Amino acid sequence: KNEVEQSPQNLTAQEGEFITINCSYSVGISALHWLQQHPGGGIVSLFMLSSGKKKHGRLIATINIQEKHSSLHITASHPRDSAVYICAVIRGSQGNLIFGKGTKLSVKP
Amino acid sequence: DVKVTQSSRYLVKRTGEKVFLECVQDMDHENMFWYRQDPGLGLRLIYFSYDVKMKEKGDIPEGYSVSREKKERFSLILESASTNQTSMYLCASSRLTYGYTFGSGTRLTVV
Repeated sequence: KNEVEQSPQNLTAQEGEFITINCSYSVGISALHWLQQHPGGGIVSLFMLSSGKKKHGRLIATINIQEKHSSLHITASHPRDSAVYICAVIRGSQGNLIFGKGTKLSVKP
Repeated sequence: DVKVTQSSRYLVKRTGEKVFLECVQDMDHENMFWYRQDPGLGLRLIYFSYDVKMKEKGDIPEGYSVSREKKERFSLILESASTNQTSMYLCASSRLTYGYTFGSGTRLTVV
């Protein structure tokens, strides 16, 4: 069983829809990242969370440490949000990341 | 703008060649990482370094080595490239557990 599980693997939405991507993990962590990867490969860190909730523009990330679960929400989705979204947890004091396998999001106009 | 720069976006090498992938960061980060990314397998850690001349094996170190002679530079070496090393390679750096920054990736094809 993977230590970090994401769902769904693939998601297709219409422009304007509210989107939720889920991440569950089975290891003790110090923090969790949500990452975005566009075609072509580069990865950008969207959020780092250790508790509660963070918001940046149309993106909201939440984490429940007791339940070992995090969600990434996108409000009023847009075709430019189409990307792979990756959940990663920080293991160990030296900061190694364990990654989920990603959720491929496609937003249709 | 802070950056992690990988020397090549696309690389084609022959089986048996020695391959160097270079990564440079300008943020004075202690930690640097090399990952490979394959369809269905996600990102997997090859090696990481938490200080100059220090290195630790990740989950899949076989067939690879690394070098960190200066704080800003972390090199991944494929001693004798094989076709199963065809992959996307991503470098990252962080200040301990903060400030993760990824490079743009190098898509390596071994023929």
